[in-house]
Amino acid sequence: KAGVTQTPRYLIKTRGQQVTLSCSPISGHRSVSWYQQTPGQGLQFLFEYFSETQRNKGNFPGRFSGRQFSNSRSEMNVSTLELGDSALYLCASSKVTSQGIQYFGAGTRLSVL
Amino acid sequence: TQLLEQSPQFLSIQEGENLTVYCNSSSVFSSLQWYRQEPGEGPVLLVTVVTGGEVKKLKRLTFQFGDARKDSSLHITAAQPGDTGLYLCAGAGTTDSWGKLQFGAGTQVVVTP
Repeated sequence: KAGVTQTPRYLIKTRGQQVTLSCSPISGHRSVSWYQQTPGQGLQFLFEYFSETQRNKGNFPGRFSGRQFSNSRSEMNVSTLELGDSALYLCASSKVTSQGIQYFGAGTRLSVL
Repeated sequence: TQLLEQSPQFLSIQEGENLTVYCNSSSVFSSLQWYRQEPGEGPVLLVTVVTGGEVKKLKRLTFQFGDARKDSSLHITAAQPGDTGLYLCAGAGTTDSWGKLQFGAGTQVVVTP
């Protein structure tokens, strides 16, 4: 069974640009969660999507948004990039009955110059 | 503010020694996950504990969930260089928030031959 796939693995952008990251969950997993990981703040929850609806949201500005498609694949978008958005962005998928068990992708490393 | 406090932040030991990592919170969790993360990769799930007082063993790794489901520990017996990595604990709340894990800051473990 294929794991969680995130594309691209690396991205370099400049301030003010926008970026879209993609996540394909494990087959059969309908919940997709996104996290931001930085050395200073650790892993922080961004949002969770289930059945194409945002079910939970973390404390991030509105520049961070996401969506989920009918095949459970998800994308997250960051508009008007800031230097502080440089981070490893991780996607995790889980079953509906997961009790919190999530499986992570390898992440997308975003560098904002 | 990290709701899950991990200690210690860093552990450097020799091969063959034992180590314990702690994860504490004032909140009750429905489940708690332990992950290990290598540089530039996503966290890999090691174990999930659900029941208060539960103990799970995974080869040389022993995981314990506190009776009140607020804390957990990870014990590694006879550590090997392959155990090197960032160990993360993550708690899940109620059913509606299973997709929103709260992570500890992590414990960096280095095992030298």
